[in-house]
Amino acid sequence: DSGVTQTPKHLITATGQRVTLRCSPRSGDLSVYWYQQSLDQGLQFLIQYYNGEERAKGNILERFSAQQFPDLHSELNLSSLELGDSALYFCASSVEWGTDVQFFGPGTRLTVL
Amino acid sequence: AQSVSQHNHHVILSEAASLELGCNYSYGGTVNLFWYVQYPGQHLQLLLKYFSGDPLVKGIKGFEAEFIKSKFSFNLRKPSVQWSDTAEYFCALYPGSQGNLIFGKGTKLSVKP
Repeated sequence: DSGVTQTPKHLITATGQRVTLRCSPRSGDLSVYWYQQSLDQGLQFLIQYYNGEERAKGNILERFSAQQFPDLHSELNLSSLELGDSALYFCASSVEWGTDVQFFGPGTRLTVL
Repeated sequence: AQSVSQHNHHVILSEAASLELGCNYSYGGTVNLFWYVQYPGQHLQLLLKYFSGDPLVKGIKGFEAEFIKSKFSFNLRKPSVQWSDTAEYFCALYPGSQGNLIFGKGTKLSVKP
């Protein structure tokens, strides 16, 4: 158990819908990262927050957004869902950023039908 | 552009065989390299990391990796694999000032008992 929690574990929804994935970082970690894992693209970095502020952005679609709240938990919002958004979404956290080791949560498996 | 290549998609070994998984990276700056493992149905866990110093890095569960700067490589090794090493292995690069990791596509290891 890494100490990073993610809910829900599984999510099945339809195209065009909107979903919210939630992540609670390890106690004391200020950075939260979101990654998408799919069969064809592998593990892709989406976005990073540090202490409530967006710090780095990767291959995140405009239909996706995220935020980190004052209690440091983070939410990833996915809207206008398409079949291709079906993937495993991982959250990771670290104390600071940079070379700090990132600890990964168990992931949320999203299936878009 | 920074990238990580793992050339072996799927490796099948018998127990007690030696393991070497290849990882090559493309990045011109100071490298920080990681190997993560994802056991079936579980989250990613850190196996080992290289930041600087001794290029031979020892990790958990008997794994080690060697950083060879001239070859832009960070191969993972284990002298004798066990059935419990069946998992997917990911090499990752931290490319300096950004906060995110760049992952290879992973190598699935299957160990036959």
